[in-house]
Amino acid sequence: AQSVTQPDIHITVSEGASLELRCNYSYGATPYLFWYVQSPGQGLQLLLKYFSGDTLVQGIKGFEAEFKRSQSSFNLRKPSVHWSDAAEYFCAVGAARGGGYNKLIFGAGTRLAVHP
Amino acid sequence: EPEVTQTPSHQVTQMGQEVILRCVPISNHLYFYWYRQILGQKVEFLVSFYNNEISEKSEIFDDQFSVERPDGSNFTLKIRSTKLEDSAMYFCASSEAAGGTYNEQFFGPGTRLTVL
Repeated sequence: AQSVTQPDIHITVSEGASLELRCNYSYGATPYLFWYVQSPGQGLQLLLKYFSGDTLVQGIKGFEAEFKRSQSSFNLRKPSVHWSDAAEYFCAVGAARGGGYNKLIFGAGTRLAVHP
Repeated sequence: EPEVTQTPSHQVTQMGQEVILRCVPISNHLYFYWYRQILGQKVEFLVSFYNNEISEKSEIFDDQFSVERPDGSNFTLKIRSTKLEDSAMYFCASSEAAGGTYNEQFFGPGTRLTVL
């Protein structure tokens, strides 16, 4: 069965420090992978996605993620964190159906706190 | 920029009552989804809908739940007899297609349902 694991429930970093949020997935075929961000009381905003091709994908707000098939990982990175990045981050895999994907399976999320 | 909208933003109801959560997907999208997020937990897939019928549903989506596209713009989730455990944030999403290039799911801001 498809699943997504985000090993870190909470992460705290200092403003200006680099960030890496971990994501591991379990999926039988080539996955569609996503990172979403959720600010308190808000909906889900797509940061970036991987469908195929270059394994390093760039997203919005200066985020990037690297797909590593051998490690079943899709870790999110940012070189310098801003206070406004404090939020909850969800990794998700698209469960393919008929060539595309039909539903998203989310990880439990990582809550990021940023110290000034 | 087109967006998914949801109403109401917060719904409070008594246990056993029926609720209808409403969503207006992006106008040229063909696939519609409902997800829910119990407080402090991961986002969970409920149901996907295409061509006026359910294409996939999760184990959560039992007989108490139903979805409908009553007109050309709205997409609703009905819970017939709410239970305490239905308290959650419900997200609507839509996508242009399930496969191909344009298959990003766009999420609405959510409806927070509180069952007393």
